[in-house]
Amino acid sequence: DAGVTQSPTHLIKTRGQQVTLRCSPKSGHDTVSWYQQALGQGPQFIFQYYEEEERQRGNFPDRFSGHQFPNYSSELNVNALLLGDSALYLCASSMLQNQPQHFGDGTRLSIL
Amino acid sequence: RKEVEQDPGPFNVPEGATVAFNCTYSNSASQSFFWYRQDCRKEPKLLMSVYSSGNEDGRFTAQLNRASQYISLLIRDSKLSDSATYLCVVANTGTASKLTFGTGTRLQVTL
Repeated sequence: DAGVTQSPTHLIKTRGQQVTLRCSPKSGHDTVSWYQQALGQGPQFIFQYYEEEERQRGNFPDRFSGHQFPNYSSELNVNALLLGDSALYLCASSMLQNQPQHFGDGTRLSIL
Repeated sequence: RKEVEQDPGPFNVPEGATVAFNCTYSNSASQSFFWYRQDCRKEPKLLMSVYSSGNEDGRFTAQLNRASQYISLLIRDSKLSDSATYLCVVANTGTASKLTFGTGTRLQVTL
């Protein structure tokens, strides 16, 4: 039973570029949430997708957008990258309103 | 004020010691509470949910005080493998809703 999988594992970009991160939820899960974790901080909620729609959003600018596909997988897109976007990006999946969230290994994004 | 506050530590304890972590949260509407464990450069993993009645899982005991908006985690007989960052987490609705994390408390268990 595959858990939450994220790709890529690591990514290096430069300021102003755009990036797409991918997440496949744990089998049987239909809800995907994205979090940003800066060094030395706890994860910060970006947004959550269910039934291909954004259900909740945290305090992140519009440069952060996402998508959920019919197979429940999800993408996180970040435009106009800033140095401050360097972080570990975590995807978590769950069955809505039913189970705790399970996290993937994350994508470590470095902005030069 | 942060929504979830924790002492960042580090807590350095010898093997076999008992250690307690505390956490406070600001949103009285919070409904679900958890402790997650995060190893260095790894993803957070659910350690246990926290209930008002208190709950225990082996060497780990979690307690919630809704009146004081306070959550605790007690680890007895610490093992070297307990060394990690412990994240206090609250959610406003069901368990699949937005999770709000504290900054984490780092524990280092030594010989």
